[in-house]
Amino acid sequence: GESVGLHLPTLSVQEGDNSIINCAYSNSASDYFIWYKQESGKGPQFIIDIRSNMDKRQGQRVTVLLNKTVKHLSLQIAATQPGDSAVYFCADLCSSASKIIFGSGTRLSIRP
Amino acid sequence: DAMVIQNPRYQVTQFGKPVTLSCSQTLNHNVMYWYQQKSSQAPKLLFHYYDKDFNNEADTPDNFQSRRPNTSFCFLDIRSPGLGDAAMYLCATSTRTSGGETQYFGPGTRLLVL
Repeated sequence: GESVGLHLPTLSVQEGDNSIINCAYSNSASDYFIWYKQESGKGPQFIIDIRSNMDKRQGQRVTVLLNKTVKHLSLQIAATQPGDSAVYFCADLCSSASKIIFGSGTRLSIRP
Repeated sequence: DAMVIQNPRYQVTQFGKPVTLSCSQTLNHNVMYWYQQKSSQAPKLLFHYYDKDFNNEADTPDNFQSRRPNTSFCFLDIRSPGLGDAAMYLCATSTRTSGGETQYFGPGTRLLVL
């Protein structure tokens, strides 16, 4: 992933609707991808991960989709709740480089 | 129980005065990371240790150093803090398996440079 600048894009979603957060990565050698949630004043928290040999993985209320052709990752949150308000980051790992790099974040805000 | 502990949570230092941030872990993970995070930006990797092997990012300033005396502890030393070094500093640990890697982050230390 690449950090792309100073201004976080914001996604505003009605409570109860589904949220889709997108992320592009640049390293075609990356083989492991992670989504993190970061609440204000806290460290990032692991949400879900996916390996490059998969294109979809589901967790509790969350789904990650991976499109390696266009180097795109998305996080879907079902039935968005107020507690989902946070900044969401994607990150990728290239096993040969052995380090996790964060991509740009998206701020998710929930409308009541 | 806290698994990745960072002390202090808030640190104030003076311009040019050396400062050390601490991280400890109870997970016995072999990898430890230091990230710098500025407001509204993604965490930026400064360096990481794989066991005792130190890996510095190419764009990490020389002003930043790290020590890992044992598995549990890792320190970030800022030799001469500048105003631009004010940020949240995040420590993370991970263990690598064939199934992937999960990072556990500490709560961060917010550094203020006066």
